[in-house]
Formats: sequence, structure tokens, C-alpha cells
Amino acid sequence: AQTVTQSQPEMSVQEAETVTLSCTYDTSENNYYLFWYKQPPSRQMILVIRQEAYKQQNATENRFSVNFQKAAKSFSLKISDSQLGDTAMYFCASRGGAQKLVFGQGTRLTINP
Amino acid sequence: DVKVTQSSRYLVKRTGEKVFLECVQDMDHENMFWYRQDPGLGLRLIYFSYDVKMKEKGDIPEGYSVSREKKERFSLILESASTNQTSMYLCASSFGGSIRDEQFFGPGTRLTVL
Repeated sequence: AQTVTQSQPEMSVQEAETVTLSCTYDTSENNYYLFWYKQPPSRQMILVIRQEAYKQQNATENRFSVNFQKAAKSFSLKISDSQLGDTAMYFCASRGGAQKLVFGQGTRLTINP
Repeated sequence: DVKVTQSSRYLVKRTGEKVFLECVQDMDHENMFWYRQDPGLGLRLIYFSYDVKMKEKGDIPEGYSVSREKKERFSLILESASTNQTSMYLCASSFGGSIRDEQFFGPGTRLTVL
């Protein structure tokens, strides 16, 4: 069974700062993907970034990057130069052999002006 | 752009009522999913479907059923609503069978059962 844990229920930073959201996971699959999804207030959830477990290089999408530590089963999201529009719930998720996406509990991130 | 729509943003029902939540996607996706989202619990999978008339139970199927008569439409049914089914319900779809595939989400339906 897969599990995903986000230990930070809420975080708050000032605009332009860098923030890191933590995520740990557990899986018995050999190949799997890890995802970060963003759910802005009253808006639809969207994919931020994804990482294949076989790739050692950390994924990057503009201001968003991940720190993937496979041995530690850790998958943190770093947001650089944070913006007011980054305010949202962030969910870490994993998918292995089955089609099911397993989500963490979520981290509510607030960017303050 | 992929569009996933849900029939209602807010819904208030009474205990014991039969409730239908509808989801439609416009990108010919094979897979469709229903989740419920509760604070501190994240998203939990209720049911999913790989194809028309196909359905599989997720992690919390009790008290729910689903219907997929057409590829673009996936309905969640609460046969007899109870107060513990008060929650945010999210529908999602994805293209095919790769574990890499992104899921596209609808705006959600916030259901209150009184």
C-alpha cells in the first residue's frame, strides 16, 4: 500500500521569500511517480510538478522545483520568489502500478504581501 | 484546454435523500475518478472508472455508487445521504493508462447533508 504524509498543515511566508513544503511517502512499487498539486481558494486543483522515481535529476518548472530523496522517501516542493498567487492548498501525491493516486493531507500556504 | 465540469458548486440535502453528483469531461479521457476532500485527510478515492460501464471501488466506497453510461460522464450517487457524507466532492479525469498521466479536476461540489 502507498502512503503519503505532509506534516505541515499550514505555512505562511512573505511575498518574494522562498518556501519549502515537505512530503514523505512510502511505496512498495519499483516504478512510481510523485506529484505536487495546487488548489487555489475556490478554484480547481491543478498539477504543479511531477517526478519519475527512476530519474535522479530533480524536476523544475519555473519557480517550482522539487528535492527528491529516494532513499529517504522524501519529496519536498520549493517555491522561489513566492507570489500572492501562490496562496493555495498544496497536495503531494504518488502513483505506482495501479491507477490510484494517493494524496497527502495537504499544506495550506499563505503568501503575505 | 481540458475541461471538467461538475453539476453543482453547492448542494444542501436532507438525511435519507438520494443525491446525484454529475461530472462531465470534454477531452475524451478514458479514466474518471470521484474523490472526497476533508480537512486534515486530504483527498480520498471513492470510485473510479477505466471505461464506459466499468467501475472499481476506491478506498472509501461505502454508502456510494457510480454510473458511467457515456465516456464523458461519470455520476456519483449517494443512495441515502447521511450527515457524515457532508464534504467536498471532486471529480477528475485522465487520458489513459500511464502512471505519469496528469489528472484534471473539476471545481468541486460542496455537499451539506442536514
